[in-house]
Amino acid sequence: QVQLQESGPGLLKPSETLSLTCNVSGASITTDYWTWIRQPPGKGLEWIGYFSYSGSPHYNPSLKSRVTISGDTSKNQFSLRFNSVAAADTAVYFCARSTYSGGWYDFWGQGTLVTVSS
Amino acid sequence: EVVLTQSPATLSLSPGERATLSCRASEGVSYFLAWYQQKPGQPPRLLIYDASKRATGIPARFSGGGSGTDFTLTISSLEPEDFGVYYCQQRNTWPPITFGQGTRLEIK
Repeated sequence: QVQLQESGPGLLKPSETLSLTCNVSGASITTDYWTWIRQPPGKGLEWIGYFSYSGSPHYNPSLKSRVTISGDTSKNQFSLRFNSVAAADTAVYFCARSTYSGGWYDFWGQGTLVTVSS
Repeated sequence: EVVLTQSPATLSLSPGERATLSCRASEGVSYFLAWYQQKPGQPPRLLIYDASKRATGIPARFSGGGSGTDFTLTISSLEPEDFGVYYCQQRNTWPPITFGQGTRLEIK
């Protein structure tokens, strides 16, 4: 069974950099597509982008200038780096897996709430 | 980007009733549409992919249909555990992958 678990700081100040990690078990990040999706409180889902071991990462064009997604095969985890956060970036951040590039998400982490506040 | 519009915003039905949820795309997405169910404090759960295929472990009362711009998710006979928010998602034209704004299903 594939399991994903997000970790990272829960509180940031505006202009800081958000760094989150998703630890993967039951699958290898050298296959499939490893994605970050976020959900502001009480709102819908926003796709951030994905990491693929065999190709380049892909990002949401609206976030691309601030986002980097990368993987660490030695730890079987992948990470999200989000620069210059603002209050609008307050959200639950999920990591998820798909077996297609830009695919369907069959396994998800529980999500981690990140709050941006001064 | 492809905008997905879901209707109704809220649906309130009794157990045993049939639920029909709609998702309309701003441009054709072929059959590349999925449906998810999300309950409070939980991640979304994949129900339907490729418009009509049930994901692993999803009960047969859930079915999906449509192609192009108009899609439906049908729950044939509601169970109390079917409450939650339902989202559609397209992967035909990306980036970005996009989701609908959700339909809240309330069980009376």
